[in-house]
Parts: sequence; structure tokens; C-alpha cells
Amino acid sequence: EPEVTQTPSHQVTQMGQEVILRCVPISNHLYFYWYRQILGQKVEFLVSFYNNEISEKSEIFDDQFSVERPDGSNFTLKIRSTKLEDSAMYFCASSEPQGGLGEAFFGQGTRLTVV
Amino acid sequence: AQTVTQSQPEMSVQEAETVTLSCTYDTSENNYYLFWYKQPPSRQMILVIRQEAYKQQNATENRFSVNFQKAAKSFSLKISDSQLGDTAMYFCAFTAGTYKYIFGTGTRLKVLA
Repeated sequence: EPEVTQTPSHQVTQMGQEVILRCVPISNHLYFYWYRQILGQKVEFLVSFYNNEISEKSEIFDDQFSVERPDGSNFTLKIRSTKLEDSAMYFCASSEPQGGLGEAFFGQGTRLTVV
Repeated sequence: AQTVTQSQPEMSVQEAETVTLSCTYDTSENNYYLFWYKQPPSRQMILVIRQEAYKQQNATENRFSVNFQKAAKSFSLKISDSQLGDTAMYFCAFTAGTYKYIFGTGTRLKVLA
């Protein structure tokens, strides 16, 4: 069964360092998303991506964040200068060509710890 | 603004019993999807069930069913014959074609042996 895969599963980084979280969406999906879940809190939308550009972003997704689909299969989230409060579980998701009205398939998440 | 509310932070149920998790939402859209996701301790997000707003029939997936009340903007999840493996955090989610999913705060369900 096709699935969304994320790497790494856990990353520890020093405050101020740049991190790149990687995702491989399901191959025929066209809509991609990043979500964040701070421990014990709800899942929050960060950004959606379609046709090589951002479709929508939340107020959380400020200038320190960026997304890219560098090679047609990977979908990355870059955090330029990490802060302690960026520590969270980051989920990548993708959905079918009908887009936002379809089911989002989530990856297993990357646990980011900023120390 | 579109919101999703889960008013039960924690619930417990005896194994083999039935439990219902509540979810309400607010939207002015007429066409949208609703979902229940399960998040076990591994923290992976697993789709449990989905409901299209234009369908009047309530969705069912094995032991999981929903009670979708569109006028009341209510979307509850019923788990029948609860199993120990059902212990998890359950999130209600909503999407209305705006390329994003809005999640509730979750209900932590514990199934007791």
C-alpha cells in the first residue's frame, strides 16, 4: 500500500541551526502539506503546496520556514534558524488530485528536538 | 473562521463496550469533508473514517461509525466492541477545499481490560 515516508524519524539540533525535514509523498498525489504538533497539543497546519508553489500558509509559517519540491519526488521543510519552541512533531501529508476535498495521507512524522 | 471542537479531553471505556467521541465544527461552507484520525503512542496519524458532507448516509468502517448531523454541525465517532488497541488519541478534522485540514484538540481514549 502506498504511503508517505518521512526522514529522519527523530532529529536533534542546536538552537540557531538550520534543519531540513524530508518527505516522499505518494507518487500520484499532487497536493502536499506540512503540519506541526507540539507535544500534548493539537495538530496545526503550516503550509500547503501545489503546482510547485505554496497554496496557503498559516501565521506560524513565517520567514524562517520554507518548502521545496526539489526533484519531483521529495518535499522538504526547511527551518533556517531553529528556536526552542520549534521542538515538535512535524507531519508531512499528501492528497489525491482532487486536492483539498480528498483524504490526506500522513507520514509517520519527524520528531524535532531543539536544544 | 472554521473551527473544530472536541469537548472531551479524556475518556475511558471497558473492553468490548461501546464509546462515543464528540466533535462539533463551524463553517459556512456547504461542501466539505470530515475525518477522524487515530494517533497511538507512536504519534503516527492514522485515518479511521471519513464523511463527505453531501452524503446523508453515515459512514461506517467495521467497528467504527459516525453520527453526522449536518444541521447541528456535529460529527461523533462511535467505537463498538472496543479493543485494547483502540487506546490512542483521537482527532476530529475538517477540510473544505482550502487546501488545509483543521484539527480539534483531541480526545485521549483509554480502553480498560
